[in-house]
Amino acid sequence: GENVEQHPSTLSVQEGDSAVIKCTYSDSASNYFPWYKQELGKGPQLIIDIRSNVGEKKDQRIAVTLNKTAKHFSLHITETQPEDSAVYFCAANKVDDMRFGAGTRLTVKP
Amino acid sequence: EPEVTQTPSHQVTQMGQEVILRCVPISNHLYFYWYRQILGQKVEFLVSFYNNEISEKSEIFDDQFSVERPDGSNFTLKIRSTKLEDSAMYFCASSELQGARGYTFGSGTRLTVV
Repeated sequence: GENVEQHPSTLSVQEGDSAVIKCTYSDSASNYFPWYKQELGKGPQLIIDIRSNVGEKKDQRIAVTLNKTAKHFSLHITETQPEDSAVYFCAANKVDDMRFGAGTRLTVKP
Repeated sequence: EPEVTQTPSHQVTQMGQEVILRCVPISNHLYFYWYRQILGQKVEFLVSFYNNEISEKSEIFDDQFSVERPDGSNFTLKIRSTKLEDSAMYFCASSELQGARGYTFGSGTRLTVV
């Protein structure tokens, strides 16, 4: 089955700096890669996604890149704000089976 | 914004008892999922459900677990003979199209087995 690895497990940045979270996946059949933000006591919320026919996607301060050949994808958050502090999960999806990375706890210090 | 609703938010049960976790997916969604998250750990896939049958399930989803869509709105996860290690947050999710867009997750049910 699909195995998704995510790094780092924790990340602390100063407000205004950029944050980068990286994931790799194992199954070349995976074709959809969402990123979720989970705040304390809540379910994961989709923040951005990318399909396997696209290399990069941007939405305001967040961007995602995908390298299909290397089977890795990354989340980039620029101009971080304290409200960006949360746990971020990457995921890889094929057909009807989505697997998550282990999560990255991002802390943005004011 | 449409929501996925889960009840109860917290369930405490005795080891060996059966529990039913309930979910109301978004009304026009056709694909339904259960995930669990043991405290501080990753979100783990349990099962996906479409057209009144299981379409995928993980190695975690053994005979102890079952899912059902008893009517047009509810989607339930039944855990028989609960064990201490079943204690976790259980998240329901739904999606409109298969793999076409991220899932919408509910806020979860915290299951505590004592």
